[in-house]
Amino acid sequence: AQRVTQPEKLLSVFKGAPVELKCNYSYSGSPELFWYVQYSRQRLQLLLRHISRESIKGFTADLNKGETSFHLKKPFAQEEDSAMYYCALRVSWGKLQFGAGTQVVVTP
Amino acid sequence: DTAVSQTPKYLVTQMGNDKSIKCEQNLGHDTMYWYKQDSKKFLKIMFSYNNKELIINETVPNRFSPKSPDKAHLNLHINSLELGDSAVYFCASSPSDTNYGYTFGSGTRLTVV
Repeated sequence: AQRVTQPEKLLSVFKGAPVELKCNYSYSGSPELFWYVQYSRQRLQLLLRHISRESIKGFTADLNKGETSFHLKKPFAQEEDSAMYYCALRVSWGKLQFGAGTQVVVTP
Repeated sequence: DTAVSQTPKYLVTQMGNDKSIKCEQNLGHDTMYWYKQDSKKFLKIMFSYNNKELIINETVPNRFSPKSPDKAHLNLHINSLELGDSAVYFCASSPSDTNYGYTFGSGTRLTVV
């Protein structure tokens, strides 16, 4: 079955500390994975695509096919990083399946 | 210049009413979607249209009917609203190559009382 698992509902970190959001997937084909971010009461925004291997707002994510993971990392969290983060997997043409989301709270 | 715009932003209505949410995108994308975000913030796809054709229709009650008059618009009509329909509904669009990801609208917060 195709599945995206984000095991942490809430992640609380101090400003300046590293942050890692876990995402594991289950998919039989070659996965296409994304991270989206939703700031308080705003629209979801694309943060990262695994195919582009880019760094946005200091965040990076590496696809690990052996561990079926696509964890999101940032070395030094900022208060403006407080948001809801969703990992998403393309399960078929045009269909993104989202994980349950991880709420990140960065405290000063 | 809003890329994906939804109206209304907020909708409060009584049970049993019929309501519509409109969505428009000016990105030239071929594909549009409706997602539902429930009270636990879980996002689930409802419908997907590609060039005005229905591509994805998840297990959504048939009280929900999407309509795509052209590839820049995807509206959602809901009949006989129920309390459980209360949620935030997000419209999104993407190019045919969905590796570029989706662009989401700002959401419509529907409250059924």
